[in-house]
Amino acid sequence: GAGVSQSPRYKVAKRGQDVALRCDPISGHVSLFWYQQALGQGPEFLTYFQNEAQLDKSGLPSDRFFAERPEGSVSTLKIQRTQQEDSAVYLCASSWALLGGYEQYFGPGTRLTVT
Amino acid sequence: KNEVEQSPQNLTAQEGEFITINCSYSVGISALHWLQQHPGGGIVSLFMLSSGKKKHGRLIATINIQEKHSSLHITASHPRDSAVYICAVIREYGNKLVFGAGTILRVKS
Repeated sequence: GAGVSQSPRYKVAKRGQDVALRCDPISGHVSLFWYQQALGQGPEFLTYFQNEAQLDKSGLPSDRFFAERPEGSVSTLKIQRTQQEDSAVYLCASSWALLGGYEQYFGPGTRLTVT
Repeated sequence: KNEVEQSPQNLTAQEGEFITINCSYSVGISALHWLQQHPGGGIVSLFMLSSGKKKHGRLIATINIQEKHSSLHITASHPRDSAVYICAVIREYGNKLVFGAGTILRVKS
């Protein structure tokens, strides 16, 4: 398909485990965003890539969170030593534009449950 | 105080009713988005506005930049419109979305 895809769709991790969440943006989209959505709340910004460069990581909640986009396309969000408060839906979005004010296309999200 | 506030938080309507969801924001913006999220599903962009009004089918979105306020209207509501509707803004000179908490809409038949 031509949309943003994310995998896995669902992930259950035991507290303390490391997890890796993958995002495949729309081909050619230069901007890629990761958002975290806790249950019953609106999404919150985590980090932003422009091609392979991570230009903003101000939303990452702790140094256990790490994101990369080494070739400017697929991105991986890694969470080390997961905690229960990390349980959320992790959304990826991409955009063709370098600047704001343009539409972002969202993936289906990865629902992470930490037990 | 959140930068983006939505009201109401929850809304139940009868099929056919006219629905309004409101969004107020406190920062300068380059654009405002209205998004739809179905349970278990991803987010779909409905509108992106920087001024005026847009219409798509039964959905209408308006924005008043001076008052920092936007509304999403649904005419002739239908049970399939049941979803969470989220307002999000892009700050001036920024590119990340800042989201409201969402409005949970349930349309009963």
